Amino acid sequence: EAQVTQNPRYLITVTGKKLTVTCSQNMNHEYMSWYRQDPGLGLRQIYYSMNVEVTDKGDVPEGYKVSRKEKRNFPLILESPSPNQTSLYFCASSRGSSRTEAFFGQGTRLTVV
Amino acid sequence: TQLLEQSPQFLSIQEGENLTVYCNSSSVFSSLQWYRQEPGEGPVLLVTVVTGGEVKKLKRLTFQFGDARKDSSLHITAAQTGDTGLYLCAGGPSGGSNYKLTFGKGTLLTVNP
Repeated sequence: EAQVTQNPRYLITVTGKKLTVTCSQNMNHEYMSWYRQDPGLGLRQIYYSMNVEVTDKGDVPEGYKVSRKEKRNFPLILESPSPNQTSLYFCASSRGSSRTEAFFGQGTRLTVV
Repeated sequence: TQLLEQSPQFLSIQEGENLTVYCNSSSVFSSLQWYRQEPGEGPVLLVTVVTGGEVKKLKRLTFQFGDARKDSSLHITAAQTGDTGLYLCAGGPSGGSNYKLTFGKGTLLTVNP
């Protein structure tokens, strides 16, 4: 089954404690990206990756890092989380065309206290 | 910066009623996608339209792409409770290397029995 898997689904952490949200896809997609979804603000892109070892900033990259060492994995790293990073996060993958479907993971609800 | 405005933001109707959701922009998009997101899940693609004036039907859902490829609409006939969810439109990029989708903020539809 084609899918994007994120872990964990829920996470409560304290300010400043480094965390990683994992994302893996089994569709051999070149393009992967991370979004955060906040009430009233919609989905905003954090980082994206065109292929292995190729990553770039999206619209709201501050406070986040990513890596793409393997095609299937695209982890999101928060080196020093702050309360304003409390949000619902989605990883998505696609074949890398303006017309192809984006497949989304089930989301990670992060709370930073 | 490309923006997509969705209206209405909230819509609550009775089962059996018809409704239309709008997605408008001042920018031209290479494609327009509609997603539905249910609580606790990631968005799932409903349809992609790529040609100006294109109309696509998916059972009781009718999608239209504006002639100038700047706007789109989603019409639901005889809504059912299972149609409840957040409807997101997303515009495909018109150029560049980031295959970023530009999302509207969504229309939260509630269909009451």
